[in-house]
Amino acid sequence: EAAVTQSPRNKVAVTGGKVTLSCNQTNNHNNMYWYRQDTGHGLRLIHYSYGAGSTEKGDIPDGYKASRPSQENFSLILELATPSQTSVYFCASGEGDNQDTQYFGPGTRLLVL
Amino acid sequence: QQKVQQSPESLSVPEGGMASLNCTSSDRNFQYFWWYRQHSGEGPKALMSIFSDGDKKEGRFTAHLNKASLHVSLHIRDSQPSDSALYFCAASPPNYNVLYFGSGTKLTVEP
Repeated sequence: EAAVTQSPRNKVAVTGGKVTLSCNQTNNHNNMYWYRQDTGHGLRLIHYSYGAGSTEKGDIPDGYKASRPSQENFSLILELATPSQTSVYFCASGEGDNQDTQYFGPGTRLLVL
Repeated sequence: QQKVQQSPESLSVPEGGMASLNCTSSDRNFQYFWWYRQHSGEGPKALMSIFSDGDKKEGRFTAHLNKASLHVSLHIRDSQPSDSALYFCAASPPNYNVLYFGSGTKLTVEP
């Protein structure tokens, strides 16, 4: 089965601070995705990537940046964290076909104080 | 407005019973549908996909898709306590490699 790992698993940040969430996949999948999960909203797409060097905006990109330095790694960056960004963040990977399944990591729980 | 709506928000069934979850899309471009399951403290995991009208059965799970009404359902027979989880419906349009998720249905199977 596909393996997606995320770090850190838990993070406490201060308002205005910089936060970097990391994701690694060992499946050689082309596509990678960042979502946030909030009660009542399900999973919402923040940024995604088609491969190394590419990033695309999802539905809720404001306040977030993404970086895909390699096939395996995809980072989500909060330059100036705000309390509204307190959430659970999930990374996923997929082969790149529109019929493909996405494989999710275990999530990062972020609290911005 | 969310493009994928799920109902009910929560559902409780007895062990051995049938659970029925519903999902409707508001976007006629959506052609591909998935059901994902998330146990507490874990990431979502794909349960099954359905791309054609009709039924698709995998073990105790049956998905039904009606593209004309943009409605997809998931039926779980002989429900087990281990089926207790958050279930998400997700949809994707053709030629666009992203998924749109509903807000989820919390299923509780009572022993």
